[in-house]
Amino acid sequence: EDQVTQSPEALRLQEGESSSLNCSYTVSGLRGLFWYRQDPGKGPEFLFTLYSAGEEKEKERLKATLTKKESFLHITAPKPEDSATYLCAVQENTNAGKSTFGDGTTLTVKP
Amino acid sequence: DADVTQTPRNRITKTGKRIMLECSQTKGHDRMYWYRQDPGLGLQLIYYSFDVKDINKGEISDGYSVSRQAQAKFSLSLESAIPNQTALYFCATSDLGVGQGQFFGPGTRLTVL
Repeated sequence: EDQVTQSPEALRLQEGESSSLNCSYTVSGLRGLFWYRQDPGKGPEFLFTLYSAGEEKEKERLKATLTKKESFLHITAPKPEDSATYLCAVQENTNAGKSTFGDGTTLTVKP
Repeated sequence: DADVTQTPRNRITKTGKRIMLECSQTKGHDRMYWYRQDPGLGLQLIYYSFDVKDINKGEISDGYSVSRQAQAKFSLSLESAIPNQTALYFCATSDLGVGQGQFFGPGTRLTVL
């Protein structure tokens, strides 16, 4: 059974204070690992897909990396508007199109 | 206009009532999903459909049913609502292909009294 564990559950940063969010996963064969951003009361917004160990993707202040067991979402010089819950999800090779989600990390960036 | 729409956005109902949540999409995607989200938790898959003739149970399908009326429409029904089905419900779509991300609707907040 696929498992996705995100840490920490909550992270509070000062504006400009860089940090990382972790997503550990267990899957028999990784088809893809996804990062989403979710604002309170809204649907998740797709950010990145990573396919293989060593891959990196960037978008503004966010950079996602992937190893064989975990993914990191690095946030460089965050701003208050980066405050949100970040969800990680995995797709297994044998369950094409079906994702297993972690519980998320809630990021709060104080000005 | 939003690519994925859900109706209603909010619903309060009573135990034992039948409820239908509707989802429509204009993205042209074949794959559609229904999830529920409880406070502080991630998304749990209820049902998913890879085309009009393909319906699959997710991890928490008990007490729910679905109908894929067309490529663009996917409805979720609660046959006899119970209080522990109070949650935020999301519809999502994705395209074919390896590792495609999902695109979510705005959600329906359902309260069962």
